[in-house]
Amino acid sequence: AQTVTQSQPEMSVQEAETVTLSCTYDTSESDYYLFWYKQPPSRQMILVIRQEAYKQQNATENRFSVNFQKAAKSFSLKISDSQLGDAAMYFCAYRNYGGATNKLIFGTGTLLAVQP
Amino acid sequence: GAVVSQHPSWVICKSGTSVKIECRSLDFQATTMFWYRQFPKQSLMLMATSNEGSKATYEQGVEKDKFLINHASLTLSTLTVTSAHPEDSSFYICSAFLSGAYNSPLHFGNGTRLTVT
Repeated sequence: AQTVTQSQPEMSVQEAETVTLSCTYDTSESDYYLFWYKQPPSRQMILVIRQEAYKQQNATENRFSVNFQKAAKSFSLKISDSQLGDAAMYFCAYRNYGGATNKLIFGTGTLLAVQP
Repeated sequence: GAVVSQHPSWVICKSGTSVKIECRSLDFQATTMFWYRQFPKQSLMLMATSNEGSKATYEQGVEKDKFLINHASLTLSTLTVTSAHPEDSSFYICSAFLSGAYNSPLHFGNGTRLTVT
């Protein structure tokens, strides 16, 4: 079974600085997706970024980018120019490629605080 | 964009009663929906996979008779917490993706906060 591990329960960053959140996963599959979701205090799940395992190029969405190391099964999230609105719980997630019922498996989350 | 509506957003019920939570895909059809449970400061735990027109698939340890799931149409799945007890108090979130687009991202509802007194 696939597992997702986030080893940083809490992180803190100064406004305008850069922070990296770590995520490792375990799978025997070769095709899969990896995601970072943000959950602010409203508890709405917001997709931050998505990476297809077959793509070597790291995904980027504005200030958010990932460092995807497939061999090491590592998928870290870098937030540049941190803003107060980035404060939230961040979840790393894994999903097998294809299939209607493939589950989205979440890590334990990292609570990010942004200091003004 | 694809929107998933979840209702109610919060509910308080007495111990022993049943509560129904609705999850609707507003602008797309969803053959499959997922129900998650989240305790405070914890991650989302998958409870069950809801399939339109067939029985739901429950995760290990989830009581199917307590958490009844019905997916009667391509836009609606319901979760009924039967004979609720205080330990069922939690945050419940549903999610769905566009039918046939199995590799598209999941869309999440806003969640339902259930408090059982």
